[in-house]
Amino acid sequence: DAKTTQPPSMDCAEGRAANLPCNHSTISGNEYVYWYRQIHSQGPQYIIHGLKNNETNEMASLIITEDRKSSTLILPHATLRDTAVYYCIVRTNQAGTALIFGKGTTLSVSS
Amino acid sequence: DSGVTQTPKHLITATGQRVTLRCSPRSGDLSVYWYQQSLDQGLQFLIQYYNGEERAKGNILERFSAQQFPDLHSELNLSSLELGDSALYFCASSMGRGYTFGSGTRLTVV
Repeated sequence: DAKTTQPPSMDCAEGRAANLPCNHSTISGNEYVYWYRQIHSQGPQYIIHGLKNNETNEMASLIITEDRKSSTLILPHATLRDTAVYYCIVRTNQAGTALIFGKGTTLSVSS
Repeated sequence: DSGVTQTPKHLITATGQRVTLRCSPRSGDLSVYWYQQSLDQGLQFLIQYYNGEERAKGNILERFSAQQFPDLHSELNLSSLELGDSALYFCASSMGRGYTFGSGTRLTVV
């Protein structure tokens, strides 16, 4: 799987949008961008994924650049409960492909 | 409740001992994945099973082994335990693209 680069940490004020960047310059054409988060010692939680179009669900939005070399996860109105480690992962959608986690970005939301 | 059940939640054991961690996947999921998370290593992929067969191996030590049974539950066996094996062990299941993680087993080796 292609590697990703994320900043180690970010801060965000409660109620503001949190924009988490991810670089994946060697992504292949059949690889998707996945985002997971892990809230203190809990099991990782799926957030969103996309191939090349922007995606939105009830949790977040995913913006993928046209060249697909980078993406941004947007939490539109961050709350204290969004404090977590956020992982950007690229992988194919072939059934059974393991998720390989990097170090992720620690997002701290404060009031 | 994610639908993935891991037992026990906590386990304390001595060095040199052997333990078994259990994972029941979400109903209908055929794939089970095991991960180890220690303080200084992050989430490390250990091994994957699909419908009873080993599908992929990650950074799993020879002292560790796993299996998936006909009812699709999986067990991770850790033997000759060392202090450095103290970690959170997560199981995840999937049927296709999405992964669902359990709440983990915290293993403490003393």
